[in-house]
Amino acid sequence: AQSVTQLDSHVSVSEGTPVLLRCNYSSSYSPSLFWYVQHPNKGLQLLLKYTSEANLVKGINGFEAEFKKSETSFHLTKPSAHMSDAAEYFCVVRTSSNDYKLSFGAGTTVTVRA
Amino acid sequence: GAVVSQHPSRVICKSGTSVKIECRSLDFQATTMFWYRQFPKQSLMLMATSNEGSKATYEQGVEKDKFLINHASLTLSTLTVTSAHPEDSSFYICSAWYQRGGTDTQYFGPGTRLTVL
Repeated sequence: AQSVTQLDSHVSVSEGTPVLLRCNYSSSYSPSLFWYVQHPNKGLQLLLKYTSEANLVKGINGFEAEFKKSETSFHLTKPSAHMSDAAEYFCVVRTSSNDYKLSFGAGTTVTVRA
Repeated sequence: GAVVSQHPSRVICKSGTSVKIECRSLDFQATTMFWYRQFPKQSLMLMATSNEGSKATYEQGVEKDKFLINHASLTLSTLTVTSAHPEDSSFYICSAWYQRGGTDTQYFGPGTRLTVL
């Protein structure tokens, strides 16, 4: 089964500085990978997804992620953090090519300092 | 993107009562929907897969008689928590699988906060 590991449970950055959220995956085939964001007491919003069309994926709100097969990584970055980026971020993998189930990482809490 | 709604957003009930949560895909049809449970400061745990016109598929450890799922139409799935107890208090989130133009994505509802007294 496919799975993801988020390497940081909490990331704190200053407003205007870069954000890096790390995610490693394990997969026996070319995976579908996603990053979702969850603001407090809200549902999940899709930031971006990787589906093997391009290794560098651009998402909403200035986020992007790079798929690196050799490192089995799918790290999320943003050049300049904004206060509104404070939220919980989940790296997610589709569990198999035969169904639509998703497996979630443990999540990374991002705080942004003024 | 596609929109998924949930109703109610919050519900408080007494122990022993049943609570129904609705999940709707507003601008697309979804043959497959999912129900998740999220405890405070934790990740989402998949409870079950809801299939339109057939029985739901439950994940290991999820009581199907306690968490009744009905997917009666292509835009509506319901989760009924039967004989709720305080330990059932949680944030319940649904999602719907959206497919168009060779791509597919799972869109999530805003969640329902259930508190059982």
